[in-house]
Amino acid sequence: AQSVTQLGSHVSVSEGALVLLRCNYSSSVPPYLFWYVQYPNQGLQLLLKYTSAATLVKGINGFEAEFKKSETSFHLTKPSAHMSDAAEYFCAVSEGLTGGGNKLTFGTGTQLKVEL
Amino acid sequence: DGGITQSPKYLFRKEGQNVTLSCEQNLNHDAMYWYRQDPGQGLRLIYYSQIVNDFQKGDIAEGYSVSREKKESFPLTVTSAQKNPTAFYLCASSMGVLAGGADTQYFGPGTRLTVL
Repeated sequence: AQSVTQLGSHVSVSEGALVLLRCNYSSSVPPYLFWYVQYPNQGLQLLLKYTSAATLVKGINGFEAEFKKSETSFHLTKPSAHMSDAAEYFCAVSEGLTGGGNKLTFGTGTQLKVEL
Repeated sequence: DGGITQSPKYLFRKEGQNVTLSCEQNLNHDAMYWYRQDPGQGLRLIYYSQIVNDFQKGDIAEGYSVSREKKESFPLTVTSAQKNPTAFYLCASSMGVLAGGADTQYFGPGTRLTVL
């Protein structure tokens, strides 16, 4: 079974500081990995996804994530935090389904707070 | 505008009542999904459908039912058998057929259900 662990349910950074959100996965097959962002009372928006094409994946809003197989990690980073980055972030591992589509297994999320 | 709509945004229900949550997509996606979100628990898969007139149970299907009579619609019924139905419900869709593990799921804005 696949699983995702997000270390730190709450992370606080100063505006302009580095953002680092941690994600470790467990998968018996080469994984597909996703990061989503959720603003209060809204749905999830895709930030980026890893599909084995490149280990460093660039996403929207200046975020990027690096796939490290040896560490089974897919940490999300942004060089300089902005107030608008305050949200909840979810890491997910994907398993393809026979017949099409996929099953996402989500981590429990990390709430990012950005302070002035 | 292509996307996923969910209605209503907020729903209140008395104990013992069934309630149906709507999910519609105009992305021409084959696969659709329902998730439940509880604080601190991430998202959990309730049901998914890969094609019209077919659907499969997810990880927490007990107390829920779905139908897929049209490609663009995937309503979820929360029955009185669901012991703890108060939660945020999210619908998603993806291309589905042949997309496999790299398939991207796009989410609707969610419905917050409260049982009084």
